[in-house]
Amino acid sequence: AQSVTQLGSHVSVSEGALVLLRCNYSSSVPPYLFWYVQYPNQGLQLLLKYTSAATLVKGINGFEAEFKKSETSFHLTKPSAHMSDAAEYFCAVTSPNFGNEKLTFGTGTRLTIIP
Amino acid sequence: DTAVSQTPKYLVTQMGNDKSIKCEQNLGHDTMYWYKQDSKKFLKIMFSYNNKELIINETVPNRFSPKSPDKAHLNLHINSLELGDSAVYFCASRGDRAQYFGPGTRLTVT
Repeated sequence: AQSVTQLGSHVSVSEGALVLLRCNYSSSVPPYLFWYVQYPNQGLQLLLKYTSAATLVKGINGFEAEFKKSETSFHLTKPSAHMSDAAEYFCAVTSPNFGNEKLTFGTGTRLTIIP
Repeated sequence: DTAVSQTPKYLVTQMGNDKSIKCEQNLGHDTMYWYKQDSKKFLKIMFSYNNKELIINETVPNRFSPKSPDKAHLNLHINSLELGDSAVYFCASRGDRAQYFGPGTRLTVT
């Protein structure tokens, strides 16, 4: 079984400050890991993905995440927060199993940007 | 040029009614999914289809019946709607080792 834990259901940062959203995973097989963003009343947009290539993954909107196997973590960072980053962020895990892949999501982190 | 589209975006109905949600993807993917997001924003998989064949059924009540007429479409029919079915339902399709989501359908059962 796989699971994801997102520490902090709410995170507030000042505009221009570092954004750090935490995600720890549990998986008995090498995982694929994802970060999705959900703006109010919208669908989920893929920010970035780790699929066993480079451990430092760069995504859209200036976000990046680093896969650390020893820490079972996949934290999301952005050097400088922008007002438009305010949204709900979801970490998700799956394992490569063609035809039977399903995403297991964390409970989400709501990011608030303080002007 | 929408990749994954769903209709309708909003659906308000009474308990006991039957309703359908439609999903279409133009990405050429073989695998499609339905996820449910509850009022606390928790997302959980319901079904997965690969090239019109049911692959995953996550112990969803049999009032929910997915149908895939072709690999670009995955519809969700719900019979005898209950208050607890109120949620946002997302369709997704899988390609390039990731899943791409539609805009969601907000179902409200009164």
